[in-house]
Amino acid sequence: AQSVAQPEDQVNVAEGNPLTVKCTYSVSGNPYLFWYVQYPNRGLQFLLKYITGDNLVKGSYGFEAEFNKSQTSFHLKKPSALVSDSALYFCAVRDIRNYQLIWGAGTKLIIKP
Amino acid sequence: NAGVTQTPKFRVLKTGQSMTLLCAQDMNHEYMYWYRQDPGMGLRLIHYSVGEGTTAKGEVPDGYNVSRLKKQNFLLGLESAAPSQTSVYFCASSLPGNYEQYFGPGTRLTVT
Repeated sequence: AQSVAQPEDQVNVAEGNPLTVKCTYSVSGNPYLFWYVQYPNRGLQFLLKYITGDNLVKGSYGFEAEFNKSQTSFHLKKPSALVSDSALYFCAVRDIRNYQLIWGAGTKLIIKP
Repeated sequence: NAGVTQTPKFRVLKTGQSMTLLCAQDMNHEYMYWYRQDPGMGLRLIHYSVGEGTTAKGEVPDGYNVSRLKKQNFLLGLESAAPSQTSVYFCASSLPGNYEQYFGPGTRLTVT
């Protein structure tokens, strides 16, 4: 079965510290992986994607994600967190059955001043 | 350029009532989607469309119908609302084969 998991419901980080939001996946074949962010009372916004190529993908707002095939992970990272990064983050993987996205449950990221 | 818009923003229905949620996009995107978002469950795809006049079922289609009569509009209908359909509904659109989806602001629906 194809799936994506975000093992942490919430991540707390102090402003200025590095942050990591975890995502693991289970798919057949080569994965297409995505990160989206949702600010309060807003729709989701695309952050970055991995299709092929370099395992380290850079995206919007200084975020990056590392694809690790052996660990089937695609963790979202940022070297120095900002209070404005506080939001809900979703990982998604392409479903090869219908080419739609399968979404994780989301991780709430809280950055404290 | 308004992007993806949804109407209404909020709605309260009684069990058994019907309603239609309207999604409109001005980006000339072929693909459009309807999702529901429930706490702790992420997004679940209800229906989607890969072009004008075509629709397909997603993960949770029961109790919903959709229509895509015009390329820019994607309507989601609830014929007989149930409390289990209380949720936040998001519409999104994208170019073909491009998984960068653009989302509307959402509709918060409560069914009592």
